[in-house]
Amino acid sequence: KAGVTQTPRYLIKTRGQQVTLSCSPISGHRSVSWYQQTPGQGLQFLFEYFSETQRNKGNFPGRFSGRQFSNSRSEMNVSTLELGDSALYLCASSSQGAMGYTFGSGTRLTVV
Amino acid sequence: QKEVEQDPGPLSVPEGAIVSLNCTYSNSAFQYFMWYRQYSRKGPELLMYTYSSGNKEDGRFTAQVDKSSKYISLFIRDSQPSDSATYLCAMFDNAGNMLTFGGGTRLMVKP
Repeated sequence: KAGVTQTPRYLIKTRGQQVTLSCSPISGHRSVSWYQQTPGQGLQFLFEYFSETQRNKGNFPGRFSGRQFSNSRSEMNVSTLELGDSALYLCASSSQGAMGYTFGSGTRLTVV
Repeated sequence: QKEVEQDPGPLSVPEGAIVSLNCTYSNSAFQYFMWYRQYSRKGPELLMYTYSSGNKEDGRFTAQVDKSSKYISLFIRDSQPSDSATYLCAMFDNAGNMLTFGGGTRLMVKP
């Protein structure tokens, strides 16, 4: 079966711009979670969506937002980009919460 | 101080060696403990998980959890060059819809 698909794979943006990342989960998975991975902080939880509702949220500023569509696909948006937002953004889908995560390969965002 | 601490390495071992990877944590509410492997330019993939204290074995991999010491380990026997990757510990509590990760240990197995 197809895995978790994240697009685009690489992205370069300028400080102050906004960006939208996309995640298509495994078919049948209704939970989609987003994580930010940086060399200094490691993997940090951003938020989780389940059946189009945000179920959990991590400790990130309001510039980070997300949504989930009726087909379970999810997008995350970062507004007013800062240099520190440069990171690998990982999406994970699951049918059973954090126990059954399957991660995508991530979107590498570089802010210049 | 982070909730989950993990030595970043890198850890370099010869092929065939036994590898020991470890994490310590501070939140006593954590009940589920997992190990992920992440290759370069890929997302993490789940290797093993355990619930509460004890050992679990899967092929060359053994996971141990000591909740009294808040310490978890992953042992890799007969390590192979293909095991070269970053290993991440992760855990969550009974509420759990989010994982708390360690920073990852980079492992290099040399032929």
